[in-house]
Amino acid sequence: QVQLQESGPGLLKPSQTLSLTCTVSGASINGGGFYWTWIRQRPGKGLEWIGYIFYRGTTNYNPSLKSRLAISLDKSKNQFSLDLNSVTAADTAVYYCARDLVGNWYFDLWGRGTLVAVSS
Amino acid sequence: QSALTQPASVSGSPGQSIIISCTGTSSDIGGYNYISWYQQHPDKAPKLMIFDVNVRPSGVSDRFSGSKSGNTASLSISGLQAEDEAYYYCSAYTSSKTLVFGGGTRVTVL
Repeated sequence: QVQLQESGPGLLKPSQTLSLTCTVSGASINGGGFYWTWIRQRPGKGLEWIGYIFYRGTTNYNPSLKSRLAISLDKSKNQFSLDLNSVTAADTAVYYCARDLVGNWYFDLWGRGTLVAVSS
Repeated sequence: QSALTQPASVSGSPGQSIIISCTGTSSDIGGYNYISWYQQHPDKAPKLMIFDVNVRPSGVSDRFSGSKSGNTASLSISGLQAEDEAYYYCSAYTSSKTLVFGGGTRVTVL
């Protein structure tokens, strides 16, 4: 059974860099076939697609976040990560990692999500 | 990219049918069939209910169905049950090769 699990700091100060990791268990991220994706949900708000990485390292980012965002892979640990720099209170959200079947643009598997708060 | 437009809330009595709309543009909903719907209960991760406009994943009740007309997609729930009370989000692929979600619809079972 494939599972995704997010991990990272729960609290950050403005201007810091948010770093989150998604650990994939039950399948190899190096196997191809999926876009490994980050999605967030601000408190009381809807979902926002952040971006994805393919096992070959190809990335695709939300234009509104692109200048501050980097998504990377660690194949040895079967993990993918998100780095978002210069955070503000507007980046406070639950961050989810998810699996997107390549070319199909839907998410059949999600992590439980991790809450990240940005506050001074 | 602007969020897709969904009604803030829809309600119905047990056993009734409801429809949730999701309106976009010709650059997203109207241009492609990569339209999905997700159900989210409080403090839970979203769950895929419909993909490719009208395809149900294995295990999803056939009371849920999807459709599209022009720039508007719709999710129909028939035989409304208490367990259907949740938020529902649509998503669509865009001409910018990105993905956009709707603002979400709260479904209340009266």
